[in-house]
Amino acid sequence: GEDVEQSLFLSVREGDSSVINCTYTDSSSTYLYWYKQEPGAGLQLLTYIFSNMDMKQDQRLTVLLNKKDKHLSLRIADTQTGDSAIYFCAEGLTGGGNKLTFGTGTQLKVEL
Amino acid sequence: NAGVTQTPKFQVLKTGQSMTLQCAQDMNHNSMYWYRQDPGMGLRLIYYSASEGTTDKGEVPNGYNVSRLNKREFSLRLESAAPSQTSVYFCASSDGGRPGNTIYFGEGSWLTVV
Repeated sequence: GEDVEQSLFLSVREGDSSVINCTYTDSSSTYLYWYKQEPGAGLQLLTYIFSNMDMKQDQRLTVLLNKKDKHLSLRIADTQTGDSAIYFCAEGLTGGGNKLTFGTGTQLKVEL
Repeated sequence: NAGVTQTPKFQVLKTGQSMTLQCAQDMNHNSMYWYRQDPGMGLRLIYYSASEGTTDKGEVPNGYNVSRLNKREFSLRLESAAPSQTSVYFCASSDGGRPGNTIYFGEGSWLTVV
């Protein structure tokens, strides 16, 4: 079955790097996604990575994928207070009709 | 840029009442989705519609019905609301059913059943 797990909370100081981790169980995943949810808002796509890639970098964001261990991480460099939000990883499956399975979300708190 | 619009944003229902959540997208997307979000459980798919005229059950369909009225609109109906349906509901859409197509979310509808 499909199961995506994340730690619930992460607290970092402004200017530090944040690393949010995610593990998934379904080996047929084709794309893995990171979404950001700010308070009272919907989910916003941050980035995604195709399952045959190991790394993707997009400005302050770096996504690392270890397909052998089914582990995905999102690194945010120079974390700012505006990065405080809930971050969800999600997996899309082959033949899944683009239905995503979401993790439980990690609440990132950035302290001054 | 409206994107995905859902109404109402907030609703309080009594147990047993019925209501319909409305969703519309203006991006000419083929696929539309309804998710619910509960604390500590992420988002779970209720129903989805791969294209106009088709609907399929997701992970948690019990207690809900959907209608894909046309390409733009996808409504979610609670026939007899229960406290377990207290949740935040998100409508979403994407250009197609292929992995990698970006899914765009509405801003959410907060539903409380008392």
